[in-house]
Amino acid sequence: NAGVTQTPKFRVLKTGQSMTLLCAQDMNHEYMYWYRQDPGMGLRLIHYSVGEGTTAKGEVPDGYNVSRLKKQNFLLGLESAAPSQTSVYFCASGPGLWPQHFGDGTRLSIL
Amino acid sequence: GQQLNQSPQSMFIQEGEDVSMNCTSSSIFNTWLWYKQDPGEGPVLLIALYKAGELTSNGRLTAQFGITRKDSFLNISASIPSDVGIYFCAGNYGQNFVFGPGTRLSVLP
Repeated sequence: NAGVTQTPKFRVLKTGQSMTLLCAQDMNHEYMYWYRQDPGMGLRLIHYSVGEGTTAKGEVPDGYNVSRLKKQNFLLGLESAAPSQTSVYFCASGPGLWPQHFGDGTRLSIL
Repeated sequence: GQQLNQSPQSMFIQEGEDVSMNCTSSSIFNTWLWYKQDPGEGPVLLIALYKAGELTSNGRLTAQFGITRKDSFLNISASIPSDVGIYFCAGNYGQNFVFGPGTRLSVLP
């Protein structure tokens, strides 16, 4: 049972480049989340989804877009990467209003 | 938005000692949760609390939902080296869910 799988695990981008972070869960959870983790600030919610085809903004959505075309997948996109988006990104899933299972993170550096 | 405060920010303890940490908010919360994050990994849900005064255990871990609904506590008994990590509190207020900044625990042999 893989749980929540994130790809890639590491990535370095140049300012202005775009990329998509992939998240897949195999627990049939309705809710999926994208968080970013920065030193001393805990986890901040970027976007979330309450079911296939739905997305909603979290606390820090600017500069990011998401899509949930299939229930098991939740994609996070950076259209034009900025150094302020250097962070560790975590995807999570759960059956309700809070995340139950997290992936191991994607470490993203923007130069 | 709502901020959660965790205390202490970090702590160093001897193996075998008991540990206490807490989380406070300025708003009333409907649920409190505690997660642990090991280095290089995602957080893992340890305990979920659903009503004021509730006391729940998970092995050597015990957490309590404060009576005022504005705080929660986590205790770890007889600490071992694998307890090292960052402990996050989190909770729901209304439709919102937020994480605290974490308590970093180090266990000395």
